[in-house]
Amino acid sequence: AQSVTQPDIHITVSEGASLELRCNYSYGATPYLFWYVQSPGQGLQLLLKYFSGDTLVQGIKGFEAEFKRSQSSFNLRKPSVHWSDAAEYFCAVSSNAGKSTFGDGTTLTVKP
Amino acid sequence: DTGVSQDPRHKITKRGQNVTFRCDPISEHNRLYWYRQTLGQGPEFLTYFQNEAQLEKSRLLSDRFSAERPKGSFSTLEIQRTEQGDSAMYLCASSLILGSTDTQYFGPGTRLTVL
Repeated sequence: AQSVTQPDIHITVSEGASLELRCNYSYGATPYLFWYVQSPGQGLQLLLKYFSGDTLVQGIKGFEAEFKRSQSSFNLRKPSVHWSDAAEYFCAVSSNAGKSTFGDGTTLTVKP
Repeated sequence: DTGVSQDPRHKITKRGQNVTFRCDPISEHNRLYWYRQTLGQGPEFLTYFQNEAQLEKSRLLSDRFSAERPKGSFSTLEIQRTEQGDSAMYLCASSLILGSTDTQYFGPGTRLTVL
């Protein structure tokens, strides 16, 4: 069975500081990996995805993520956080059958 | 693309009543998914369709839940005899399966409150 762990429930960073959100997955085959962002009361917006190829993937809003098979990780990074990045972030894994399994999310607070 | 739309955005109902939610996927997307999200949790898979065929249902989907996608376009999710534990955000997502890749795009969700 596939699973996702996001070890950090809540992270606070100062505006302009760098950010890294952790994601560890469990999946038997080559995973398809995603990061989504969710603002309060809203649906999920896709930030980036990894299917194959280059292990460093670029997404929208200046985010990037690195797939590390040896560590079963897919951490999300941003070099300089903006106040508008405050939201909840979800990592997800899926097989080519499509069903996604999500972590429980990391809430990001940005200090001025 | 106008994105995935869901209706209604909010629904308040009394325990025991039936409710129905609608999801309109991105045009020409052949897959449609339903997820449920409770406070502090990530979305949990409920069911999905490829065109009009329902291909998988989660064990979370009790007999009180039924989903349809009659013409392979919009979908409805019905909950019969609602219980307070059904209170959650119900999210719909759609995708266009190309080979083995499948990127899901989510709608804004329907928040259900059962009193």
